[in-house]
Amino acid sequence: GESVGLHLPTLSVQEGDNSIINCAYSNSASDYFIWYKQESGKGPQFIIDIRSNMDKRQGQRVTVLLNKTVKHLSLQIAATQPGDSAVYFCAETPSGNTPLVFGKGTRLSVIA
Amino acid sequence: GAGVSQSPSNKVTEKGKDVELRCDPISGHTALYWYRQSLGQGLEFLIYFQGNSAPDKSGLPSDRFSAERTGGSVSTLTIQRTQQEDSAVYLCASSAAFGQLPGGYTFGSGTRLTVV
Repeated sequence: GESVGLHLPTLSVQEGDNSIINCAYSNSASDYFIWYKQESGKGPQFIIDIRSNMDKRQGQRVTVLLNKTVKHLSLQIAATQPGDSAVYFCAETPSGNTPLVFGKGTRLSVIA
Repeated sequence: GAGVSQSPSNKVTEKGKDVELRCDPISGHTALYWYRQSLGQGLEFLIYFQGNSAPDKSGLPSDRFSAERTGGSVSTLTIQRTQQEDSAVYLCASSAAFGQLPGGYTFGSGTRLTVV
């Protein structure tokens, strides 16, 4: 189907390499951060989250790093696979009582 | 249901017509959200519903946009007198309770609206 976000920043990586996707946020009051993965024609899927009282959290092949000093969030994907090709969004909220605010997204293309 | 279901998946409409987009959230989820995703853009918040509370409509771009949630379950987003700039993917999401994090929201696959 038609891709979402044709003018998004793109990151191209070789299969098997590690990927790092970055996100800057502006709200210093943000307390909770999430990374979503969106494949073509689908809604965003939850990948991993982190609260502001942590600076690192690991999942399966993914790690999220949070630097509150410079308001920067990153997603690291180890041993990137073709199935990781998608658009990745960061999202933030100052509290659970405020809807998530999404970044513009980064397209990850994995070269086999 | 097992996931968030949205219908139709695609909608082409003529400028000036009204459209209704439907969202069936996960059974038991009390919070429901609508977002809009335009080409090359991130997700733009439109409106959310939490239980029987009044919805937060702060993200609706104009008074042509409205939404309802009947019986605390199914929601309908209505766009009146559609304009070409309304063309986008409209995403619905639900969560167990507004404010109940972590885990974020579960999204549907969206409705792609094209206004010609």
